[in-house]
Amino acid sequence: EVQLLQSGGGSVQPGGSLRLACVASGFTFSSNAMSWVRQAPGKGLEWVSSISGDSVDTKYADSVRGRFTISRDNSKNTLYLQMSSLRAEDTALYYCAKLRGMRAHNYYIDVWGKGTTVSVSS
Amino acid sequence: QSVLTQPPSVSGAPGQRVTISCTGSSSSIGADNDVHWYQQLPETPPKLLISGNTNRPSGVPDRFSGSKSGTSASLAITGLQAEDEADYYCQSFDSSLSGYVFGTGTKVTVL
Repeated sequence: EVQLLQSGGGSVQPGGSLRLACVASGFTFSSNAMSWVRQAPGKGLEWVSSISGDSVDTKYADSVRGRFTISRDNSKNTLYLQMSSLRAEDTALYYCAKLRGMRAHNYYIDVWGKGTTVSVSS
Repeated sequence: QSVLTQPPSVSGAPGQRVTISCTGSSSSIGADNDVHWYQQLPETPPKLLISGNTNRPSGVPDRFSGSKSGTSASLAITGLQAEDEADYYCQSFDSSLSGYVFGTGTKVTVL
C-alpha cells in the first residue's frame, strides 16, 4: 500500500524555523517527484514546493521562495521541507504529496499524506 | 499564487447535473498544460478525481467527467448524490510562474 507518513509540525513564533518530514512507502520513491501543498484554516489549497526524483529540479511558490527549502533523501525514502523566517500567514495544514505524470508540466497528485499542522503566532 | 478561478459555490438537487468552471490564462491552461481535479471532503486530504483533463482514476464513478477548451476547463457531475457534497479544486501548471497552481475552490451543495 502506498503511504506518506508525515511528521514535524508544531507551534513556533514568528521568525522561527521548523522542519517537516514525510516518509514514503509502497512505491519507488526515487523515481517520483514530490511536492508540499498547504491549506490555511478555512481556505483553499496552495502549492508550496516541488522536487524531482533526482533533486535536480526544485520549484517554489513566490510566497515561500527564499524562506523554505525542499529536499529529499532517497536512501531514507524521505521528503523534507525546511521552513525559516516563518510568518503568521504560513499557518496551515501542510500536505506531503506524490506527483505523477508523463512530464513535469502535466504532473498531478495521486497520493496525499494526512497533513501536519504548522502554527505561527506570538 | 492562485491563478485559476472557480465559482465559490454551486448547488443542485439530487439527480441533477452541475458543472464547475476553472478559468486560467494563456500561460496556464492555455499553454497546453493539463488540468486535474480533486475532491476534498470535510477534514480529509483531497482525493484525485480527474487527471489529464478527462481521465478518471480507478474507483471514481463515471458520474464525474472533465473537459478542457482554450484557457478554461470544466468538471461535470451528473446524477448528483448527497455524498458529492464537498469542495472541488482544479490544478494545472503556470509556465510564466514556473510552478503548479490550484483553483480557488468550489463548494458543491446538494439541496
